[in-house]
Amino acid sequence: QQQVKQSPQSLIVQKGGISIINCAYENTAFDYFPWYQQFPGKGPALLIAIRPDVSEKKEGRFTISFNKSAKQFSLHIMDSQPGDSATYFCAASPPDSGYSTLTFGKGTMLLVSP
Amino acid sequence: EAGVAQSPRYKIIEKRQSVAFWCNPISGHATLYWYQQILGQGPKLLIQFQNNGVVDDSQLPKDRFSAERLKGVDSTLKIQPAKLEDSAVYLCASSFGTGGPYNEQFFGPGTRLTVL
Repeated sequence: QQQVKQSPQSLIVQKGGISIINCAYENTAFDYFPWYQQFPGKGPALLIAIRPDVSEKKEGRFTISFNKSAKQFSLHIMDSQPGDSATYFCAASPPDSGYSTLTFGKGTMLLVSP
Repeated sequence: EAGVAQSPRYKIIEKRQSVAFWCNPISGHATLYWYQQILGQGPKLLIQFQNNGVVDDSQLPKDRFSAERLKGVDSTLKIQPAKLEDSAVYLCASSFGTGGPYNEQFFGPGTRLTVL
């Protein structure tokens, strides 16, 4: 059973455009929602994360929007750059694991064209 | 600061053979994780150690997979015997501890296993 559904599977955006990746979760116990960025041949790296007590979190060009009632959250990349081309994973974790048990989505391969 | 080290980076074996992966976490990190990442999917947690004790191994196929973390530092993950469906990237991650949403997990580059 896939507990975190991520879409789209792949995305092509022009340089300067906005990239939007969506995730939906089922487990209402999830209380921590990070996004990871993975380049080919590398391990995932934490990009930005949010708790459900806020509806939005922004760090530079990256913004997470969170909708608790809809059990959905999304990553927005503003002014997308070719260097942002990577695979992005959303994840979720319940508090009873100390926020260490991450359930990942299947990933979105982003290509930013020059 | 050195990151999480893993070796080998690539491994090709035939089914029914055994294989072992090694991980050296970031110095001072008490928690160590092994993930399996199948092509086109997100990482799936196999096992989590806190120092040298197992915290969670609920998704580890214990009939063929084993892992240990002697002395609470380095860790090895072993598959014996390997099956075709074990072909994946095996990621090791470490974190300073557990608890709190800001206990970031740092991932190594992974070992890509191909089972023929």
